[in-house]
Amino acid sequence: EVQLVESGGGLVQPGGSLRLSCVASGITFSSYWMSWVRQPPGAGLEWVANIKPDGSDTYYVDSVKGRFTISRDNAKNSLFLQMSSLRADDTAVYYCATGLYDSGWYPDYFDSWGQGALVTVSS
Amino acid sequence: QSALTQPRSVSGSPGQSVTISCTGTSSDVGRYNHVSWYQHHPGKAPKLMIYNVNKRPSGVPDRFSGSKSGNTASLTISGLQAEEEADYFCCSYADNHIFIFGGGTKVTVL
Repeated sequence: EVQLVESGGGLVQPGGSLRLSCVASGITFSSYWMSWVRQPPGAGLEWVANIKPDGSDTYYVDSVKGRFTISRDNAKNSLFLQMSSLRADDTAVYYCATGLYDSGWYPDYFDSWGQGALVTVSS
Repeated sequence: QSALTQPRSVSGSPGQSVTISCTGTSSDVGRYNHVSWYQHHPGKAPKLMIYNVNKRPSGVPDRFSGSKSGNTASLTISGLQAEEEADYFCCSYADNHIFIFGGGTKVTVL
């Protein structure tokens, strides 16, 4: 059974930084694209970032480019999201997820998800 | 790019069918057959229900089906059951390797 467990959420002031982690089990982590998806309070889901299995390529939604960095440590089955210059509109539950593709090389959809970590940006 | 458009809510009695629409543009839903649907019970992990428009992952009942016409995708739940009361989100791959989600639809079982 695939398990994804996020941690590192909390309350941070505007302009501050926070690092989220996601530990995976039940999969060969180094073979999977990984993603972060967030859900602001009372709103829909928003894709944040993807990272290639070997960590060599990353992709971001425009609103976080230059502020967030997705990374991974395959030896520790871990995914990270370093968030800086945080704003109030970054307040959300952040989910990690596995990205799968039916054909090609880039994910088509998100298969397994964690239960999320709440990040609150407020003074 | 803007979020995909979903109805805020739909409802049905047990055993009935409900359909949720998901409208995008020619740069996402209309261009790619990479539409997926997720069931989300608040506080739990989202669950993949449909991928690539109409494919069901192992373990998802065949009462869940997906389709697409032009810029609009749809999820149909046949034989609605009480435990399927949840939020449902559509998602589409879009140009430049990004993904766009819908705002979510709350399905209520009457």
